[in-house]
Amino acid sequence: SQQGEEDPQALSIQEGENATMNCSYKTSINNLQWYRQNSGRGLVHLILIRSNEREKHSGRLRVTLDTSKKSSSLLITASRAADTASYFCATDAKYQAGTALIFGKGTTLSVSS
Amino acid sequence: GAVVSQHPSRVICKSGTSVKIECRSLDFQATTMFWYRQFPKQSLMLMATSNEGSKATYEQGVEKDKFLINHASLTLSTLTVTSAHPEDSSFYICSAFHGMNTEAFFGQGTRLTVV
Repeated sequence: SQQGEEDPQALSIQEGENATMNCSYKTSINNLQWYRQNSGRGLVHLILIRSNEREKHSGRLRVTLDTSKKSSSLLITASRAADTASYFCATDAKYQAGTALIFGKGTTLSVSS
Repeated sequence: GAVVSQHPSRVICKSGTSVKIECRSLDFQATTMFWYRQFPKQSLMLMATSNEGSKATYEQGVEKDKFLINHASLTLSTLTVTSAHPEDSSFYICSAFHGMNTEAFFGQGTRLTVV
C-alpha cells in the first residue's frame, strides 16, 4: 500500500528556476522523509522532518510539513541539471512487525540547461 | 553514517532458477530490515518486513513461497526469489533503520532480470 501521493507526477524546468513538489499522506506520522533517486539507481536520503517541526532547510532544499493538512512540500532552489531525478516522500507507518517507511508515487523532475 | 550493503547489484538469471539477494548492515545491528520492489517508473512498494530470529511479515499480495526471506543474524537479511519468472524482473532494495525515529538507510538495490 502507498501512504503518500506526490504532485506533480512530472515537472520540467530550466536551470536556475525553483522546483516545488508536494506530498500528501493519510495517517498520523512521527516523521516524513524525502529521498532522491537517479534513474535505475539507489535512494539518496535528502531530509527528515519530524511531526513537531514545520520547516527545515538543508542547503538548497527547503521542506515544510503541515500535519493538520497531512501534507509536505519540497522546494529546490536555483535548480541544476544534476537535480534531474525522481523525488519521493516517505512516511513511517505502524505495521504488525514494527514501523516501515511507506513511499509516495514520486515526482520526476527534469532540469534542462 | 550507517551503511547498508546489498549484493549483487545486478543479476540475470534463467526462468525457473532461484536468486538470492543479500542485505547487510555494516556498522550497526538491525533487528528489522525491509524489502521493497520497484517496477520501472514506479515507486517503491514494501514487500515484507524481515525480523531477526523469526518469520518475516509479508505485505498483502506478496507470495511467501516465492519470496523467501531469512534474517539469521543481526546484520544480514536475505531475499530469495524462487523459481523466477520474467514477471519477477524488477529492482529490489532493502533498508534498515538505525535507531528510533531516524532516517532509513538503503542498500544500493539489485536489478533482477529473468530471461
